Amino acid sequence: QSALTQPASVSGSPGQSITISCTGTSSDIGSYNYVSWYQQHPGKAPKLMIYDVTNRPSGVSNRFSGSKSGNTASLTISGLQAEDEADYYCSSHASSSTQVFGGGTKLTVL
Amino acid sequence: QVQLQESGPGLVKPSQTLSLTCTVSGGSISSGGYYWSWVRQFPESGLEWIGYIYYSGSTYYNPSLKSRVTISVDTSKNQFSLKLSSVTAADTAVYYCARDLGYSEIDYWGQGILVTVSS
Repeated sequence: QSALTQPASVSGSPGQSITISCTGTSSDIGSYNYVSWYQQHPGKAPKLMIYDVTNRPSGVSNRFSGSKSGNTASLTISGLQAEDEADYYCSSHASSSTQVFGGGTKLTVL
Repeated sequence: QVQLQESGPGLVKPSQTLSLTCTVSGGSISSGGYYWSWVRQFPESGLEWIGYIYYSGSTYYNPSLKSRVTISVDTSKNQFSLKLSSVTAADTAVYYCARDLGYSEIDYWGQGILVTVSS
């Protein structure tokens, strides 16, 4: 079970949109519509931002959206704000009822 | 509001067993419908799923850790626990307990506890 692949860093200016990719395999992302995205600020626990590929928990801004194509999932943040600067992790359900995380992406708001 | 709190030693010697407990408040583990998870985060690095347990006792582990991990539940105390044997410095991490709705959807996390493996 290998970690999902995410870019180490992405950046954008306030108001812009950015997309973070998350690439897995046919044993995880490619086989299940159970991809989640988490936001983590320094020293804090992760926070669920997207689940089941496209769904937002109550209270999460609609500026956050998710999608999937084949073995790759994506998180898009539109209208970037300074408070969006954080680390982002994807996660997927995988075979044998296990779970796998991505390596994380550091988002910098310029 | 569900709250989770990790407890246990912050320092473990190499080759020994790391033992942590998670106390759940604001909800009952035995009510079902959730998986009770352990996730760790290496220093300045990413997250790793360790495993989870259902209230019935069914367990699911990360294949890379399966030979060293045991997760158990005590519904009478509303707690679940993690044991990781034969630890090395590579097991130094912040350990989080969490509630998973199933299928990789973790909605509540503990604050995390730093465990350092060192002699």
